[in-house]
Order: sequence, then C-alpha cells, then structure tokens
Amino acid sequence: GAVVSQHPSWVICKSGTSVKIECRSLDFQATTMFWYRQFPKQSLMLMATSNEGSKATYEQGVEKDKFLINHASLTLSTLTVTSAHPEDSSFYICSAMTDGNTIYFGEGSWLTVV
Amino acid sequence: RKEVEQDPGPFNVPEGATVAFNCTYSNSASQSFFWYRQDCRKEPKLLMSVYSSGNEDGRFTAQLNRASQYISLLIRDSKLSDSATYLCVVNPRGNNRKLIWGLGTSLAVNP
Repeated sequence: GAVVSQHPSWVICKSGTSVKIECRSLDFQATTMFWYRQFPKQSLMLMATSNEGSKATYEQGVEKDKFLINHASLTLSTLTVTSAHPEDSSFYICSAMTDGNTIYFGEGSWLTVV
Repeated sequence: RKEVEQDPGPFNVPEGATVAFNCTYSNSASQSFFWYRQDCRKEPKLLMSVYSSGNEDGRFTAQLNRASQYISLLIRDSKLSDSATYLCVVNPRGNNRKLIWGLGTSLAVNP
C-alpha cells in the first residue's frame, strides 16, 4: 500500500479561486517533504522543499506567495495554489523523505483551472 | 547543456526485444543515480538505483560510467507491461534532497 497519500487526486476549480493539496506520510514521520510540478511531456520540476516547523525553501522562479506551503506536523504538508489561473493547471506531486533519506512519492494531484 | 539529458524516444519495440536507454548528466560530482518508471498520468516509481559496479534486477540492468557521465538501463525480454516512460534521476549532493530529473524516455512494447 501507499506510504505517502496525496489528496485530492483530481480537482477542477474556477480561475481566481484557491486550491489546497494535502500530502501525508502514512507510516513514518517526515521532517522533509518535496513538492513537484509536472507539465505534459515535461520532467518533474521541484517547486519547494517543505520543512516541518519552519518555512519552505522555494526553488528559483517559484512564487512563494502564490504557492503556499505549510508543514505543520511530521506527517502532513499542504500546498495551496492561491488565485489559480489556467496556466497553473498541472500535475502536482509530493514526496516525503524518511530519516534514512529514502524518498516515497504521493500519487499526485491533477489540477485543472477553468 | 541540460543537467540530465535523455533521448525522449518514443522507442517502439516488439515483445521479447531488448532495449537500452542512455542518460547523460552534467555534474561530474553527482553522488547517486536512479531509474524511475512513470506510467501515464501517474506518479513516478523507483525502478532501481544505479551502482558504480552495475546492478541487475531480473530483466533490468543498470550501469554507470562516471568517466563519461552517463547511465544506462537495459531491459531484456520486453513485456507489454514495460510500456511506460523511464526517467533518469541524478542526485548531485548525495542526500536525496534535490533530485534532478530527466525528461524521460518513452517505451512502447507492442504485441
């Protein structure tokens, strides 16, 4: 079974609204989680590194005020896409790192902004 | 030069064929390497790590050439279920904190 759960799997929202995606590690504690975005026929692009109890570290070119990341507990990180626009439509994937630096991926979330 | 480069394909092969993918990376100090498999509209899944001495897992063989900075994946006796995109992943720092992903190579195994 999945060790990292991501929710929702699919979401359609109206332009201008905000969408929250959750990433949970199910049977381990993850002080570090990662958020990726993947556009069609492109590679995974790291958006930010989510650190439990502290601010996320964003990659260059990723707007921290648009993509809000909260890692309030050792098993949950959330990504909120604020004021979503059609160009934000993408596949968003989280991953969580164990203490031994093993990475597990969530199932991904398909966001469509209409 | 891209940090990780792969031939995007697609590779179309018949069942039972042997197929090989290559991947080159630009950072000579990179620490570890992986092959992931990604099915259409799904998350990537770890296929195998790549070790300096080369490693094999059933029909899959991975090799690393540090001098030439490339990684390869060989699939023998291809199955229909092998159809997917294969992603080359490089870990420049050795702690998995920042993985660099290739664009992926698309494989279609045909009956």
